[in-house]
Amino acid sequence: DAGVIQSPRHEVTEMGQEVTLRCKPISGHNSLFWYRQTMMRGLELLIYFNNNVPIDDSGMPEDRFSAKMPNASFSTLKIQPSEPRDSAVYFCASSPTRDSNEQFFGPGTRLTVL
Amino acid sequence: GNSVTQMEGPVTLSEEAFLTINCTYTATGYPSLFWYVQYPGEGLQLLLKATKADDKGSNKGFEATYRKETTSFHLEKGSVQVSDSAVYFCALRDTSNTGKLIFGQGTTLQVKP
Repeated sequence: DAGVIQSPRHEVTEMGQEVTLRCKPISGHNSLFWYRQTMMRGLELLIYFNNNVPIDDSGMPEDRFSAKMPNASFSTLKIQPSEPRDSAVYFCASSPTRDSNEQFFGPGTRLTVL
Repeated sequence: GNSVTQMEGPVTLSEEAFLTINCTYTATGYPSLFWYVQYPGEGLQLLLKATKADDKGSNKGFEATYRKETTSFHLEKGSVQVSDSAVYFCALRDTSNTGKLIFGQGTTLQVKP
């Protein structure tokens, strides 16, 4: 079975550029989560969706960040404009339902903003 | 608010040593508790879980017991292997019923042959 798929796996961009990260959750899963991982701040929940609807976006750092889930099989996290402090590993995770005890993580996208 | 505190790493052990990684939590009510593991270059994977007080979660030789009295969920393994080298995250399910997981900072384990 395919797990959570993220693309790209690595992204290097220059400050000021737009960055789009993509995620395909496990088929049939209704909840999707975006996390950011850095050495300084650890693992932070940015936003999560249930049935394609954003439920909690309190972790989104600022207006430069936006996330969408146009359908049950696809989500994007966009940073515009990007800044060096956005450099991190971004994980997408999905779970069968909102109340599920397990989240299934993708392999992550390592973003470097120069 | 709810939070999780883990012992700081890195933890460096020799193969076959006994492992303990401490985890304590702060929460209203009785949240479900989890340990996730992250191997190098990969995403997190659920290692074990416990959903109520006194439950013991176990998997791959790892164990953790939900201790309500001490609000702890320490991870233990009797004999570690080099392949256990990874980052371990303690987490709880947010008791506000949002479905969110709240993670600790992670503890890096290095096992040397």
